[in-house]
Amino acid sequence: EPEVTQTPSHQVTQMGQEVILRCVPISNHLYFYWYRQILGQKVEFLVSFYNNEISEKSEIFDDQFSVERPDGSNFTLKIRSTKLEDSAMYFCASSPTARVATGELFFGEGSRLTVL
Amino acid sequence: AQSVTQPDIHITVSEGASLELRCNYSYGATPYLFWYVQSPGQGLQLLLKYFSGDTLVQGIKGFEAEFKRSQSSFNLRKPSVHWSDAAEYFCAVGGNYQLIWGAGTKLIIKP
Repeated sequence: EPEVTQTPSHQVTQMGQEVILRCVPISNHLYFYWYRQILGQKVEFLVSFYNNEISEKSEIFDDQFSVERPDGSNFTLKIRSTKLEDSAMYFCASSPTARVATGELFFGEGSRLTVL
Repeated sequence: AQSVTQPDIHITVSEGASLELRCNYSYGATPYLFWYVQSPGQGLQLLLKYFSGDTLVQGIKGFEAEFKRSQSSFNLRKPSVHWSDAAEYFCAVGGNYQLIWGAGTKLIIKP
């Protein structure tokens, strides 16, 4: 069964360092998402991406964050200068349809980021 | 404002007992509702979803959920839990491009 894969599974970094989280969505999906879950808190939407553009982003997704699809398979989330409060589990998801309401999100297993 | 409330942070049930996890939502339009499960060390897996039609929806692993518009609820049920059901369960409501999540309910199974 096709699945979304994420790397690394866990990354520890120093505050102020740049981090890139990688995701390989399901191959025939066209819509991609990043969510995050701070330990003990709700899952929060960060950004959605389609046709090489951001479709929607939340208030969390500020100038420190960026996403790109550098080739036909990878979808990356970059945090330019990490802060302590960026420590969280980051989930990538993909979907065959644009609207969450009519489709289903397929989630990866997450990348745990720890900022020291 | 759109929101999802899962009033129980954790629930403990005995193996073989029935289960009901509560979810209430606040959403301006017709809601699209989801239940996801997150097992330890795993990603988020869709259990079931409600878009329209029959208000009782069946999902994977023997779970079902009932949409009650009058109560703004979408509670998850299972008649008999198994030890492998121990996990965290998230209710979510769908917007255009994003899901709005509840805080989750951790299910603990007593042997």
